[in-house]
Amino acid sequence: DAKTTQPNSMESNEEEPVHLPCNHSTISGTDYIHWYRQLPSQGPEYVIHGLTSNVNNRMASLAIAEDRKSSTLILHRATLRDAAVYYCILRDVSGGSNYKLTFGKGTLLTVNP
Amino acid sequence: GAGVSQSPSNKVTEKGKDVELRCDPISGHTALYWYRQRLGQGLEFLIYFQGNSAPDKSGLPSDRFSAERTGESVSTLTIQRTQQEDSAVYLCASSLALIGFNSPLHFGNGTRLTVT
Repeated sequence: DAKTTQPNSMESNEEEPVHLPCNHSTISGTDYIHWYRQLPSQGPEYVIHGLTSNVNNRMASLAIAEDRKSSTLILHRATLRDAAVYYCILRDVSGGSNYKLTFGKGTLLTVNP
Repeated sequence: GAGVSQSPSNKVTEKGKDVELRCDPISGHTALYWYRQRLGQGLEFLIYFQGNSAPDKSGLPSDRFSAERTGESVSTLTIQRTQQEDSAVYLCASSLALIGFNSPLHFGNGTRLTVT
């Protein structure tokens, strides 16, 4: 899997927007960008994924740079429940062993009340 | 609906004993994964099952580790002669295996294994 780079930690205040960056300069044309998050003492949960266009769902928005070498996960209004480790993962859909997601260390998001 | 269920949620065992961890995937999910997460670390891939295909065992750390899955249902991960370095949270995930592999993985809450 292509490598992603994320900050080790970020801090936010409750009810403010949060922008979590991810760099993936070696992304290939068949790599989708996936985000998962892991709340304390729980397994990871899927957040969102995209290829080229920006994506929105009930949990978050994903903004993808035009050259696809970076992306940003946007939480529009952080709550205390959003405190988690956020993982940015590239998933190649062209075949091979891409079924196994490779999790890095992610970004630990702290939300202050 | 019901999510991925893992049991037990916690297991404490003595060094040298065998342990068996269980995973009940979401009904209809043909793909099943096992991952390991050591304290403060990321997730390590262990094994992948997809339908009746041969499993991908490339992540199993030693021959003390094995896993089985019957059809598209329950999976068990067995660790023989446990060592202290086996202490970790063992996570199971399942997904629909659609063309393009973009189906999200649904994780259970894991089994926390402590080897004393």
